[in-house]
Amino acid sequence: EIVLTQSPGTLSLSPGERATLSCRASQSVTSSYLAWYQQKPGQAPRLLIYGASSRATGIPDRFSGSGSGTDFTLTISRLEPEDFAVYYCQQYGSSPLFTFGGGTKVEIK
Amino acid sequence: EVQLVQSGAEVKKPGESLKISCKGSGYSFSTYWIGWVRQMPGKGLEWMVIIYPRDSDTRYSPSFQGQVTISADKSINTAYLQWSSLKASDTAMYYCVRHTTTFFDYWGQGTLVTVSS
Repeated sequence: EIVLTQSPGTLSLSPGERATLSCRASQSVTSSYLAWYQQKPGQAPRLLIYGASSRATGIPDRFSGSGSGTDFTLTISRLEPEDFAVYYCQQYGSSPLFTFGGGTKVEIK
Repeated sequence: EVQLVQSGAEVKKPGESLKISCKGSGYSFSTYWIGWVRQMPGKGLEWMVIIYPRDSDTRYSPSFQGQVTISADKSINTAYLQWSSLKASDTAMYYCVRHTTTFFDYWGQGTLVTVSS
């Protein structure tokens, strides 16, 4: 089973700052099999990034994904008030088919 | 517009059975895998199971195999998740998800299941 470890657990930043979130896999992940989601309090998650670096429909270009192998990054170039949320990475592979990381909370400093 | 609309919140007692639903619209229901993701209170996301409505092929996470059953009725574009005997540890939010290629592109609004004596 591939385990995804996200860091940091919590990121305290101010609006306008850059956020860098890490997702590390216990084994190499095919880049096209890595996705990121955003979850705001009381809401369902929504897809942000798929294929490690492709933005989903309607996602602003301040969100970008990168990485390969075992190290992947979600970057928010300039935080807007609506970006404070929890972010999850997810990989697709062998059993189990899908695994999620534990999440990174981006909170207002 | 693609939508996944889930059934409402449930409060059950331990040992009771339950079936929750998810109705898809705005796309060809039979030709996309659809499934369920669990989120326990204050915790992260866990993938449970998916089904291909066209032929009812299923894939379960080992953690949930034997604990829940997924089904789908393609005539009414609806997927289901059921428990035969609930436990307090089944208390969680359950999200219906549409699976495409390697990720989940649409999510339902969630169904909160509370199991308490």
